[in-house]
Amino acid sequence: DAGVTQSPTHLIKTRGQQVTLRCSPKSGHDTVSWYQQALGQGPQFIFQYYEEEERQRGNFPDRFSGHQFPNYSSELNVNALLLGDSALYLCASSLGETNSPLHFGNGTRLTVT
Amino acid sequence: DAKTTQPPSMDCAEGRAANLPCNHSTISGNEYVYWYRQIHSQGPQYIIHGLKNNETNEMASLIITEDRKSSTLILPHATLRDTAVYYCIVRVARNSGYALNFGKGTSLLVTP
Repeated sequence: DAGVTQSPTHLIKTRGQQVTLRCSPKSGHDTVSWYQQALGQGPQFIFQYYEEEERQRGNFPDRFSGHQFPNYSSELNVNALLLGDSALYLCASSLGETNSPLHFGNGTRLTVT
Repeated sequence: DAKTTQPPSMDCAEGRAANLPCNHSTISGNEYVYWYRQIHSQGPQYIIHGLKNNETNEMASLIITEDRKSSTLILPHATLRDTAVYYCIVRVARNSGYALNFGKGTSLLVTP
């Protein structure tokens, strides 16, 4: 039973560039959330997708956008990268709009130079 | 969602019980208490959650006080692999899913 998978595992980009991160949810899950974790901090909620729509959004600028596909996989896009966007980006999946716990992937480490 | 307060760090000897406290004095009646942990270089891992009653699973036990203003996560026989950052999170289930507010958590070091 495959868990949450994220790609790539590491990425280096230059300030001003754009980046796309990918996530495949755990088998049977249909809801995907994205989190940003800066060094030494807890994860911060970016947004959540369910039924291919953004359902909730945290305090992140419009440079952060996402998409969910019919197979429930998801992408996180970040435009006009800033040095401060360097972080671990975590994807989590869950089952519908329920109390079910989140299952996290091991993240994509993004470095902006 | 209610805020939580956790000690920044704790130590525990291998084989002993690790008791991790969490204060959530502003918790509402419909808010759950969740515990996650994050081992270095990995994503957070769900441990346990509860509303009012004490809960136990294969990983840990969750003790919630009667007034629900605090809780304790108990790892009954800590091992070196339990060294991680432990997050106590309080959240309410909204109609369209939920977001978790992780905070900084407690860094637990299990020593030989």
